Amino acid sequence: EDQVTQSPEALRLQEGESSSLNCSYTVSGLRGLFWYRQDPGKGPEFLFTLYSAGEEKEKERLKATLTKKESFLHITAPKPEDSATYLCAVQVYGTSYGKLTFGQGTILTVHP
Amino acid sequence: KAGVTQTPRYLIKTRGQQVTLSCSPISGHRSVSWYQQTPGQGLQFLFEYFSETQRNKGNFPGRFSGRQFSNSRSEMNVSTLELGDSALYLCASSLVTGAWADTQYFGPGTRLTVL
Repeated sequence: EDQVTQSPEALRLQEGESSSLNCSYTVSGLRGLFWYRQDPGKGPEFLFTLYSAGEEKEKERLKATLTKKESFLHITAPKPEDSATYLCAVQVYGTSYGKLTFGQGTILTVHP
Repeated sequence: KAGVTQTPRYLIKTRGQQVTLSCSPISGHRSVSWYQQTPGQGLQFLFEYFSETQRNKGNFPGRFSGRQFSNSRSEMNVSTLELGDSALYLCASSLVTGAWADTQYFGPGTRLTVL
Protein backbone atom coordinates (compact mmCIF):
# COMPACT_ATOMS: atom_id res chain seq x y z
CA GLU A 1 0.00 0.00 0.00
CA ASP A 2 1.27 3.45 -0.89
CA GLN A 3 2.20 5.52 2.16
CA VAL A 4 3.16 9.14 2.71
CA THR A 5 4.47 10.39 6.05
CA GLN A 6 5.14 14.02 6.84
CA SER A 7 7.23 15.40 9.68
CA PRO A 8 7.11 17.26 11.88
CA GLU A 9 3.38 17.41 12.54
CA ALA A 10 3.74 21.03 13.65
CA LEU A 11 6.55 23.55 13.38
CA ARG A 12 6.83 26.95 15.01
CA LEU A 13 9.38 29.39 13.61
CA GLN A 14 10.37 32.95 14.25
CA GLU A 15 10.21 35.25 11.25
CA GLY A 16 13.45 34.85 9.31
CA GLU A 17 14.29 31.46 10.84
CA SER A 18 14.82 29.02 7.95
CA SER A 19 13.81 25.35 8.22
CA SER A 20 12.73 22.27 6.27
CA LEU A 21 9.65 20.07 6.15
CA ASN A 22 10.00 16.38 5.33
CA CYS A 23 7.83 14.05 3.26
CA SER A 24 8.78 10.36 3.22
CA TYR A 25 7.05 8.05 0.79
CA THR A 26 6.78 4.32 0.16
CA VAL A 27 5.18 3.63 -3.20
CA SER A 28 5.24 1.01 -5.91
CA GLY A 29 6.32 3.42 -8.63
CA LEU A 30 6.37 7.19 -8.27
CA ARG A 31 4.73 9.10 -11.08
CA GLY A 32 4.87 12.46 -9.38
CA LEU A 33 5.14 14.14 -5.98
CA PHE A 34 3.17 17.27 -5.20
CA TRP A 35 3.37 19.98 -2.57
CA TYR A 36 0.35 22.02 -1.62
CA ARG A 37 -0.33 24.78 0.86
CA GLN A 38 -3.68 24.91 2.66
CA ASP A 39 -5.06 27.80 4.68
CA PRO A 40 -7.83 27.13 7.24
CA GLY A 41 -11.22 26.55 5.62
CA LYS A 42 -9.82 26.69 2.07
CA GLY A 43 -8.85 24.20 -0.59
CA PRO A 44 -5.21 23.20 -1.09
CA GLU A 45 -3.19 25.60 -3.24
CA PHE A 46 -0.69 24.02 -5.64
CA LEU A 47 2.98 24.78 -5.05
CA PHE A 48 5.23 22.26 -6.86
CA THR A 49 5.32 19.04 -8.84
CA LEU A 50 8.48 16.88 -8.79
CA TYR A 51 8.92 13.90 -11.08
CA SER A 52 12.33 12.33 -10.54
CA ALA A 53 15.08 12.05 -7.94
CA GLY A 54 17.46 15.00 -7.99
CA GLU A 55 14.86 17.42 -9.22
CA GLU A 56 14.54 20.80 -7.48
CA LYS A 57 12.01 23.62 -7.87
CA GLU A 58 11.87 27.07 -6.31
CA LYS A 59 9.23 29.70 -5.78
CA GLU A 60 9.92 32.80 -3.72
CA ARG A 61 11.02 31.60 -0.25
CA LEU A 62 10.19 27.93 -0.97
CA LYS A 63 12.38 25.25 -2.52
CA ALA A 64 11.31 21.64 -3.01
CA THR A 65 13.72 18.75 -3.55
CA LEU A 66 13.20 15.05 -4.29
CA THR A 67 15.17 11.88 -3.58
CA LYS A 68 14.17 8.26 -4.14
CA LYS A 69 12.67 8.03 -0.66
CA GLU A 70 11.70 11.53 0.42
CA SER A 71 11.09 15.13 -0.45
CA PHE A 72 11.97 18.28 1.42
CA LEU A 73 10.30 21.65 1.39
CA HIS A 74 12.86 24.23 2.43
CA ILE A 75 11.57 27.56 3.68
CA THR A 76 14.09 30.38 3.66
CA ALA A 77 13.57 33.46 5.87
CA PRO A 78 9.86 32.74 6.40
CA LYS A 79 7.30 35.47 7.00
CA PRO A 80 4.08 35.28 9.06
CA GLU A 81 2.09 34.97 5.83
CA ASP A 82 3.82 31.63 5.19
CA SER A 83 1.84 30.19 8.12
CA ALA A 84 -0.35 27.38 6.77
CA THR A 85 -0.61 23.60 6.56
CA TYR A 86 1.76 22.15 3.99
CA LEU A 87 0.62 18.94 2.32
CA CYS A 88 2.64 16.42 0.37
CA ALA A 89 0.95 13.99 -2.03
CA VAL A 90 2.06 11.30 -4.47
CA GLN A 91 0.64 9.76 -7.61
CA VAL A 92 1.83 6.31 -8.64
CA TYR A 93 1.99 4.39 -11.87
CA GLY A 94 -0.69 1.86 -12.66
CA THR A 95 -4.42 2.26 -12.40
CA SER A 96 -4.23 5.31 -10.18
CA TYR A 97 -6.13 7.67 -12.43
CA GLY A 98 -6.73 10.96 -10.71
CA LYS A 99 -5.75 9.61 -7.30
CA LEU A 100 -3.39 11.48 -5.02
CA THR A 101 -2.31 9.89 -1.75
CA PHE A 102 -1.71 12.58 0.85
CA GLY A 103 0.35 12.82 3.98
CA GLN A 104 -1.19 14.23 7.14
CA GLY A 105 0.44 17.61 6.65
CA THR A 106 2.76 19.88 8.60
CA ILE A 107 1.20 22.85 10.37
CA LEU A 108 3.63 25.74 10.06
CA THR A 109 3.32 28.80 12.29
CA VAL A 110 5.65 31.75 11.75
CA HIS A 111 5.76 34.30 14.55
CA PRO A 112 6.69 37.95 13.84
CA LYS B 1 -8.53 31.77 -16.13
CA ALA B 2 -11.21 30.98 -13.56
CA GLY B 3 -10.34 28.38 -10.97
CA VAL B 4 -12.30 25.37 -9.80
CA THR B 5 -15.65 26.33 -8.33
CA GLN B 6 -17.77 24.32 -5.92
CA THR B 7 -21.33 24.84 -4.80
CA PRO B 8 -22.70 25.13 -2.26
CA ARG B 9 -19.90 26.26 0.04
CA TYR B 10 -21.70 25.25 3.22
CA LEU B 11 -24.40 22.70 3.85
CA ILE B 12 -26.18 21.45 6.96
CA LYS B 13 -28.15 18.21 6.75
CA THR B 14 -29.61 15.70 9.18
CA ARG B 15 -28.89 12.00 9.42
CA GLY B 16 -30.63 9.92 6.80
CA GLN B 17 -30.94 12.72 4.25
CA GLN B 18 -29.07 12.80 0.99
CA VAL B 19 -26.95 15.59 -0.49
CA THR B 20 -25.60 16.59 -3.91
CA LEU B 21 -22.46 18.66 -4.31
CA SER B 22 -21.39 20.33 -7.54
CA CYS B 23 -18.00 21.07 -9.07
CA SER B 24 -17.06 23.09 -12.15
CA PRO B 25 -13.50 22.41 -13.33
CA ILE B 26 -11.02 24.82 -14.85
CA SER B 27 -11.87 25.45 -18.49
CA GLY B 28 -10.25 22.76 -20.63
CA HIS B 29 -9.70 20.33 -17.78
CA ARG B 30 -11.42 17.02 -18.40
CA SER B 31 -10.52 15.08 -15.26
CA VAL B 32 -12.29 15.72 -11.97
CA SER B 33 -11.32 14.05 -8.69
CA TRP B 34 -13.17 14.24 -5.38
CA TYR B 35 -11.68 14.05 -1.89
CA GLN B 36 -13.01 14.00 1.65
CA GLN B 37 -11.02 15.88 4.29
CA THR B 38 -11.51 15.30 8.02
CA PRO B 39 -9.29 16.17 10.98
CA GLY B 40 -8.76 12.51 11.82
CA GLN B 41 -8.24 10.96 8.38
CA GLY B 42 -6.85 13.87 6.41
CA LEU B 43 -7.46 14.00 2.67
CA GLN B 44 -8.87 10.79 1.23
CA PHE B 45 -9.60 10.04 -2.40
CA LEU B 46 -13.23 9.34 -3.27
CA PHE B 47 -13.32 8.91 -7.06
CA GLU B 48 -12.19 10.33 -10.38
CA TYR B 49 -14.10 11.02 -13.58
CA PHE B 50 -12.82 11.57 -17.09
CA SER B 51 -14.97 11.91 -20.20
CA GLU B 52 -18.08 11.10 -18.18
CA THR B 53 -16.58 7.78 -16.99
CA GLN B 54 -15.53 6.84 -13.50
CA ARG B 55 -11.95 5.59 -13.88
CA ASN B 56 -11.01 5.16 -10.26
CA LYS B 57 -12.70 4.78 -6.90
CA GLY B 58 -11.42 4.98 -3.34
CA ASN B 59 -12.43 2.90 -0.33
CA PHE B 60 -15.75 4.49 0.47
CA PRO B 61 -19.16 2.82 0.82
CA GLY B 62 -21.64 2.76 -2.04
CA ARG B 63 -23.55 5.63 -0.43
CA PHE B 64 -20.97 7.87 -2.10
CA SER B 65 -21.48 8.24 -5.82
CA GLY B 66 -20.74 10.71 -8.54
CA ARG B 67 -21.13 11.56 -12.16
CA GLN B 68 -19.64 13.80 -14.80
CA PHE B 69 -21.42 15.67 -17.54
CA SER B 70 -20.36 16.28 -21.14
CA ASN B 71 -19.08 19.77 -20.22
CA SER B 72 -16.80 18.13 -17.57
CA ARG B 73 -18.80 19.50 -14.67
CA SER B 74 -19.18 16.92 -11.94
CA GLU B 75 -21.52 16.14 -9.07
CA MET B 76 -21.16 13.86 -6.10
CA ASN B 77 -24.00 12.46 -4.10
CA VAL B 78 -24.09 11.05 -0.60
CA SER B 79 -27.20 9.12 0.36
CA THR B 80 -28.41 8.17 3.83
CA LEU B 81 -26.12 10.63 5.57
CA GLU B 82 -24.31 9.61 8.74
CA LEU B 83 -22.73 11.81 11.40
CA GLY B 84 -19.30 10.64 10.24
CA ASP B 85 -19.90 12.13 6.80
CA SER B 86 -19.36 15.61 8.22
CA ALA B 87 -16.28 16.86 6.38
CA LEU B 88 -14.84 19.25 3.85
CA TYR B 89 -15.47 17.83 0.39
CA LEU B 90 -12.92 18.94 -2.17
CA CYS B 91 -13.01 18.73 -5.90
CA ALA B 92 -9.89 18.98 -8.06
CA SER B 93 -9.49 19.23 -11.80
CA SER B 94 -6.58 18.45 -14.11
CA LEU B 95 -5.57 18.21 -17.73
CA VAL B 96 -4.92 14.70 -18.89
CA THR B 97 -1.60 14.71 -20.71
CA GLY B 98 -0.86 11.01 -20.44
CA ALA B 99 2.89 11.00 -20.04
CA TRP B 100 3.37 12.69 -16.69
CA ALA B 101 1.52 13.00 -13.42
CA ASP B 102 -1.07 15.69 -13.94
CA THR B 103 -1.23 18.53 -11.48
CA GLN B 104 -4.57 18.75 -9.69
CA TYR B 105 -6.02 22.15 -8.88
CA PHE B 106 -8.44 22.26 -6.00
CA GLY B 107 -11.62 24.16 -5.43
CA PRO B 108 -12.53 25.89 -2.16
CA GLY B 109 -14.53 22.90 -0.94
CA THR B 110 -18.01 22.30 0.40
CA ARG B 111 -18.27 22.12 4.19
CA LEU B 112 -20.92 19.50 5.02
CA THR B 113 -22.25 19.24 8.55
CA VAL B 114 -24.51 16.31 9.42
CA LEU B 115 -26.63 16.74 12.55
